[in-house]
Amino acid sequence: AQTVTQSQPEMSVQEAETVTLSCTYDTSESDYYLFWYKQPPSRQMILVIRQEAYKQQNATENRFSVNFQKAAKSFSLKISDSQLGDAAMYFCAYTERFGAGTRLTVKP
Amino acid sequence: DTGVSQNPRHKITKRGQNVTFRCDPISEHNRLYWYRQTLGQGPEFLTYFQNEAQLEKSRLLSDRFSAERPKGSFSTLEIQRTEQGDSAMYLCASSLLVPGAAQRTKNIQYFGAGTRLSVL
Repeated sequence: AQTVTQSQPEMSVQEAETVTLSCTYDTSESDYYLFWYKQPPSRQMILVIRQEAYKQQNATENRFSVNFQKAAKSFSLKISDSQLGDAAMYFCAYTERFGAGTRLTVKP
Repeated sequence: DTGVSQNPRHKITKRGQNVTFRCDPISEHNRLYWYRQTLGQGPEFLTYFQNEAQLEKSRLLSDRFSAERPKGSFSTLEIQRTEQGDSAMYLCASSLLVPGAAQRTKNIQYFGAGTRLSVL
């Protein structure tokens, strides 16, 4: 079965600091994408970053980067220089499977 | 066309009533997905279409639920005889499956704002 697990229901970070959100997944495929989505309170889910499994280089989008460990089936999201607007639920996803989410709080 | 559109945004209904939601995907997207999301949880997959064909249904999609995408454009999700347990956010997403890239594992989905259903 394809599963996605996020083991941190809540995380907190000080503004301007760095935080890492964890995700593990299970698949027997070798060619796939992994995704991190952000869902602000009462707002639309948006794609933050994606990683292609065949690429060894970790994906980066401005302040967001991933640490992709294919053999370990681990896919963490690092947010650098955290901003108040980063406060949201973050979901890790593989195909149509989503983790339970991590609620990120940013303290001023 | 700036994104996936869902209507209505909110729906309040009494138990036992039927409700229908609509999703308009990004115009060139050939895949359309429906999800259910309860408070504090991740989206749960319900079903997806490729063009007008419904290719997969989750076991979460009981007989009271039906989805259509008659012309491969917009889609509707109908819930018959609603129950209080149906209260949730219903999300729609669309993606473009490029010919030759058949893997389902590489779809990039774009989400609508959702329809929040409250069953009283």
